[in-house]
Amino acid sequence: NAGVTQTPKFQVLKTGQSMTLQCAQDMNHEYMSWYRQDPGMGLRLIHYSVGAGITDQGEVPNGYNVSRSTTEDFPLRLLSAAPSQTSVYFCASSYFAGFADGYTFGSGTRLTVV
Amino acid sequence: ELKVEQNPLFLSMQEGKNYTIYCNYSTTSDRLYWYRQDPGKSLESLFVLLSNGAVKQEGRLMASLDTKARLSTLHITAAVHDLSATYFCAAAAQETSGSRLTFGEGTQLTVNP
Repeated sequence: NAGVTQTPKFQVLKTGQSMTLQCAQDMNHEYMSWYRQDPGMGLRLIHYSVGAGITDQGEVPNGYNVSRSTTEDFPLRLLSAAPSQTSVYFCASSYFAGFADGYTFGSGTRLTVV
Repeated sequence: ELKVEQNPLFLSMQEGKNYTIYCNYSTTSDRLYWYRQDPGKSLESLFVLLSNGAVKQEGRLMASLDTKARLSTLHITAAVHDLSATYFCAAAAQETSGSRLTFGEGTQLTVNP
């Protein structure tokens, strides 16, 4: 059982480049989310989805796009990378209402924008 | 807007001692999560607390939830070095049914021999 799989694990981008961070889960979870983690700031919600075809903005959505065409996949797109987007990105998934098990997090993508 | 505050942010303790990490949240929430993160690693789910008065224990860690006081605690009993990590609490505003989590800043715990 793979759980939540994120790719790539590491990425270096130049300012202005675009890229997609991939996230896939094999647990048939309805909820999926993207967070960024910066030193001393905990995790902040970027975008989230409560089911296929449904997405919404979180706390820090600017500069990022998402889509949820299938239950399994929830890619995060950086439209034009900026140094302020240097961070560690985590994808997470959960059953509806997060009963019992809470959210399962992927291993993270460490992104550096130069 | 839901805000979550943890204290202390840094905690250095000796092996064998007890201590409590506090997590306050600002608006009504019916679910509270505790996670552990080791350096350079992902988050590991520790506890999910879903009702007022909920108490869960796993090994040397015990978590509780008081929804009236908007407070959750993570109590560490007889700390050991292996518990050194950063601990996060997260809450979901009641109207979101758990779809959006707001995290505290994390408590960096160091257990010294």
